Amino acid sequence: DVKVTQSSRYLVKRTGEKVFLECVQDMDHENMFWYRQDPGLGLRLIYFSYDVKMKEKGDIPEGYSVSREKKERFSLILESASTNQTSMYLCASRTDRAGVYSNQPQHFGDGTRLSIL
Amino acid sequence: AQSVTQLGSHVSVSEGALVLLRCNYSSSVPPYLFWYVQYPNQGLQLLLKYTSAATLVKGINGFEAEFKKSETSFHLTKPSAHMSDAAEYFCAVSLTGGGNKLTFGTGTQLKVEL
Repeated sequence: DVKVTQSSRYLVKRTGEKVFLECVQDMDHENMFWYRQDPGLGLRLIYFSYDVKMKEKGDIPEGYSVSREKKERFSLILESASTNQTSMYLCASRTDRAGVYSNQPQHFGDGTRLSIL
Repeated sequence: AQSVTQLGSHVSVSEGALVLLRCNYSSSVPPYLFWYVQYPNQGLQLLLKYTSAATLVKGINGFEAEFKKSETSFHLTKPSAHMSDAAEYFCAVSLTGGGNKLTFGTGTQLKVEL
């Protein structure tokens, strides 16, 4: 089975802090994704990466950046955390080549519930 | 833009009753479609996917979904609900040209009552 591990289940940070959320997958997947989940809004894509050092903006990239230095690890960075970034953050990975229209499913981690005070 | 609509943010059924969760997509081209389930304090788990091989798709835990092109729908059903089915369910769509991206519906919370 695919294993996607997010480093923290719960995280509390203060406004203005730089926050790092880490995600590791163990299946050598090319594609990795960061979503945020808010009640009534479903999942919204923040950023995704289809290869090491490659990244693309999703639907709501403002206030976030990402890093992918190794294939198995995809980090989400909140440059200066704000209270409106309090949310559940979900990481996912998927196989298939970059840019391929795919029927392969995404595999999700258990999420990080982030609170910004 | 691709979109997916889930009708009903909350659905309540009795144990043993039919479960029907609705999903409609907007596209002139048949997409790839997925249903995911999220149990409390967990990530999303794939229930089933439609990939054009068959219009009736069977998934895990007794769930199935039928792709209806004429109705642009992909509703999720289960003949007999169990208490363990209580969770949030998400429909997602991937369209040609969408590359790597999935678009998710807003989710339906399923409650199962005794």
